[in-house]
Amino acid sequence: DSGVTQTPKHLITATGQRVTLRCSPRSGDLSVYWYQQSLDQGLQFLIQYYNGEERAKGNILERFSAQQFPDLHSELNLSSLELGDSALYFCASSVSAGTQYFGPGTRLLVL
Amino acid sequence: GENVEQHPSTLSVQEGDSAVIKCTYSDSASNYFPWYKQELGKGPQLIIDIRSNVGEKKDQRIAVTLNKTAKHFSLHITETQPEDSAVYFCASMNTGNQFYFGTGTSLTVIP
Repeated sequence: DSGVTQTPKHLITATGQRVTLRCSPRSGDLSVYWYQQSLDQGLQFLIQYYNGEERAKGNILERFSAQQFPDLHSELNLSSLELGDSALYFCASSVSAGTQYFGPGTRLLVL
Repeated sequence: GENVEQHPSTLSVQEGDSAVIKCTYSDSASNYFPWYKQELGKGPQLIIDIRSNVGEKKDQRIAVTLNKTAKHFSLHITETQPEDSAVYFCASMNTGNQFYFGTGTSLTVIP
């Protein structure tokens, strides 16, 4: 158990819909990272937040957004969902930059 | 941007033998290189990492080597055991705190 929690574990929705994935980092960790893992794309870095501020941006689509709240939990919002958005979404946390601890992931299925 | 290549994509070894997984990166400014192990249905778990100011790091049966000049780093697992069977990912972090992952190596240890 990494100490990072993610909800929900599974999510099934339809194309065009919007979903919100939630992540609670390990106690004391200020950084939160979001990743997408799909069979054909591997593990893709989406975005990083540090203490509420966006720190780094990766391959995140404009339809996706994220934020980190004052209590340091983070949410990833996915809108106008497409079939290709079906994937595992992982959150990871770290004290600052470097060693990351991953959560168990949210499996998203878009039908 | 950074390009991380990982090989082999699959690797089978006899229990007790050694396993080596190699990664190359393109951004000479990358300065942190973690390795993750991912078991089925779980999030990636950090197993070892190395920073650019170090050439080698060892933790029991696991070691990582880094050649900054050649821009490659390798994971070495000695005395492999069946529980080492998993998918292994390398990653690099650049100075912008962006992480790039390799495509993964599926390791099977045959009892």
